[in-house]
This record gives sequence, structure tokens and C-alpha cells, in this order.
Amino acid sequence: DARVTQTPRHKVTEMGQEVTMRCQPILGHNTVFWYRQTMMQGLELLAYFRNRAPLDDSGMPKDRFSAEMPDATLATLKIQPSEPRDSAVYFCASAPINQGEKLFFGSGTQLSVL
Amino acid sequence: AQKITQTQPGMFVQEKEAVTLDCTYDTSDQSYGLFWYKQPSSGEMIFLIYQGSYDEQNATEGRYSLNFQKARKSANLVISASQLGDSAMYFCAMREARQFYSGGGADGLTFGKGTHLIIQP
Repeated sequence: DARVTQTPRHKVTEMGQEVTMRCQPILGHNTVFWYRQTMMQGLELLAYFRNRAPLDDSGMPKDRFSAEMPDATLATLKIQPSEPRDSAVYFCASAPINQGEKLFFGSGTQLSVL
Repeated sequence: AQKITQTQPGMFVQEKEAVTLDCTYDTSDQSYGLFWYKQPSSGEMIFLIYQGSYDEQNATEGRYSLNFQKARKSANLVISASQLGDSAMYFCAMREARQFYSGGGADGLTFGKGTHLIIQP
């Protein structure tokens, strides 16, 4: 079964530290999304890429967050410096070019910033 | 204004009963898509069902059906014969028509706050 792979599954860090989350989309999918889930805000779209090019990152705090896709098999979301309010579950999702309906989600990275 | 509204924060339902989870949406686009995802306690997001705004028939996938009422802008999820394993968070989501960039493909979904469904034996 093809699936989106996210690492790490869990991350505990201290305020001010850099955090990098990684995502391997399903092979052949051309669009990759980053979502953040919190109790208060629910699921928020942070950024997404098509064919590795950033399309929309308007949901992402620009001063500390950055998202990149160095190649078709890897997407990264970086927070530097991290703050306690960044504690959340971060999901990566991908979608194929010919099936524009559903998104395939990874298992998420649960981030706790102390 | 919220794009997706799910008015039921939590629901308790007896096993084997049918369940309707409410979802209303707000868009001025003519072309859009509506989705339901399930999130069990393990945390993964599982796609359940999709309805396109131009689809005339209500979508069905096994025990799931989507009651699409376009004029009311509602897209309720119906689960027939509920099972204990249906206990989870359920999210309604929408994709609106946007300007497509080269390459084609999906755009991001806007999610509602979710409904926590608990099936009781």
C-alpha cells in the first residue's frame, strides 16, 4: 500500500530550538501539502507545492517557518526558532495529478515545544 | 465567516443506528468539491467520501453516503448501521475553484472543526 511517510512521529524540544519535519509523498503525486492541527484552530493549511514549486504559503508564519521541497521524494517543514505555541500535530498530505479529489495524509508529527 | 461549519461538537449514538453528521459550507464559487475525512484516536486522516458540486447524484461509498443539498449549502454525512469502530472525529472539508497553475492537480482543502462521534454498545 502506497502511503505518505512522515518523520519523526513525535518530537519534544525546548523553546528556541530548530525543528525539522520531513515528508515523503506517495511516488507520482505532484502536489504536497502541509497542515497543522490544534484543538483551538483545527486543521489549518500552512503551505503547498506543485511539481516541487511553492504555490501557496499564506497560512504559514513567515518569520519562523519555512517549507521546501528539495526533490520530488522529500518535503521539509522547518521551524526556527520554535515556540510553545507551535505545539501541534503537523500533517503532510499528497495528491496525484490525475485524481484531483482526495488528499492522502501521512500519520503526522506530534510536536511539543516546552 | 467560516467556510465550513460543523454544528455538532460531539454525538453519542447506539450501535447499529444510522448517524447523520451535519456540515454546511460557504462559497461563491460554482465549482467546488466537498469531502469527509475520519480521524480515529490513532490520529491518521482517512478519506471517506467526495461530492463534486456538479454531481447530480449523492455520493455513496459502502456504509457512507453524502446528503448533498446544494441550495441549502449542506453536505451531511450519513453512516448507516453504525459500528463501534466508527467512533472517531469526523471532518467536513471543501475545495473551492481556484486559478490553476501549470501542471494541474489538487488544491488545498478547508476543514471544519469536526464532530466527535462516539458509538455506544
